Amino acid sequence: SQTIHQWPATLVQPVGSPLSLECTVEGTSNPNLYWYRQAAGRGLQLLFYSVGIGQISSEVPQNLSASRPQDRQFILSSKKLLLSDSGFYLCAWRTGNYGYTFGSGTRLTVV
Amino acid sequence: EDQVTQSPEALRLQEGESSSLNCSYTVSGLRGLFWYRQDPGKGPEFLFTLYSAGEEKEKERLKATLTKKESFLHITAPKPEDSATYLCAVLLWGGGGNKLTFGTGTQLKVEL
Repeated sequence: SQTIHQWPATLVQPVGSPLSLECTVEGTSNPNLYWYRQAAGRGLQLLFYSVGIGQISSEVPQNLSASRPQDRQFILSSKKLLLSDSGFYLCAWRTGNYGYTFGSGTRLTVV
Repeated sequence: EDQVTQSPEALRLQEGESSSLNCSYTVSGLRGLFWYRQDPGKGPEFLFTLYSAGEEKEKERLKATLTKKESFLHITAPKPEDSATYLCAVLLWGGGGNKLTFGTGTQLKVEL
């Protein structure tokens, strides 16, 4: 079966600390993968997408970066977190007629 | 610029009180329109895909419709378990990455 895993579920990090969020998919090959951020009371903002290993497209200039070291792994990173990086981060995988299948999300609070 | 606007931002209904949520879009080249349901603290879950004006999809108490400018999510005789945020998103022709552009959502609360 096709599934998507995202962790951790919650994270509290101090300002200036690094960040690494991981997303993996199972049951498919060469998926299109996406990172979205959802601020409180707002819609989903696309941060990065990847159509293949090592191929990253950035949608919004920011303090974050993404990498795709393996076909089914997508990582969101930061070297130094800012308060404004707080939010709900969602990884997604394009599943054809269903649009996207989303992971369960990571609630990041930068303090 | 491509835009997706949802209204109302929030909606409170009594159980059994039917209503509609709106998703209007200003885009060039609509490839598909998607509806998702999102519960607090969770990722969005797929509900419907609509591809062309006049198309309708139904699932239990929900029915989605599409015109050339907007989509409606009709909720018939809602129950408290229908409480959630409902998101619409558009997929456009052209560009790379098959990116979905989301509206800001309608937060629905159904009360007994």
